[in-house]
Amino acid sequence: NAGVTQTPKFRVLKTGQSMTLLCAQDMNHEYMYWYRQDPGMGLRLIHYSVGEGTTAKGEVPDGYNVSRLKKQNFLLGLESAAPSQTSVYFCASSLIAGNTGELFFGEGSRLTVL
Amino acid sequence: SQELEQSPQSLIVQEGKNLTINCTSSKTLYGLYWYKQKYGEGLIFLMMLQKGGEEKSHEKITAKLDEKKQQSSLHITASQPSHAGIYLCGADVESNTGKLIFGQGTTLQVKP
Repeated sequence: NAGVTQTPKFRVLKTGQSMTLLCAQDMNHEYMYWYRQDPGMGLRLIHYSVGEGTTAKGEVPDGYNVSRLKKQNFLLGLESAAPSQTSVYFCASSLIAGNTGELFFGEGSRLTVL
Repeated sequence: SQELEQSPQSLIVQEGKNLTINCTSSKTLYGLYWYKQKYGEGLIFLMMLQKGGEEKSHEKITAKLDEKKQQSSLHITASQPSHAGIYLCGADVESNTGKLIFGQGTTLQVKP
């Protein structure tokens, strides 16, 4: 069972470059999330989606864009990367948020912006 | 997130000791999650609480959501080195909108 898969797992970018992180889930989940994790900051919500074709801003959305064109995929884009976006990014999905079971996480994508 | 405050931020205990981690919000917590993370690794689901007063246990870890659903505690009994890691609480604090946020985490070290 694949669960939640993130690609790429590692990436190094130069300031100003763009890139897209892909999150794919094979559990037919409605809700998908992108978080970033920095030392001492826990997980901070960037954007989330409550269903195909919908997206919403989280706590730290600036500098990021997302798309949910297909139910199983949630893309996180950086249009012009900045060193402040150096972080570990986690994608997660759940059947329905808040009142169901486990929130499933990917293994993380480590991004370094030079 | 400041909407979810975890305390303490870090904790060092001697093996065999009990400990408690708290997760507090000024708002009602919906679908409270507890996760554990080993350094540099992914997140491990521990348990989820929904109802006020609900308590769940898994091995030596017990979590409870208070009656008002504004605070959760995670209690570890007879800690072991395998319990070391970062503990994260997460919840929907906006009435089931799907916006799941997490606290800043509690780093636990267990000394043999």
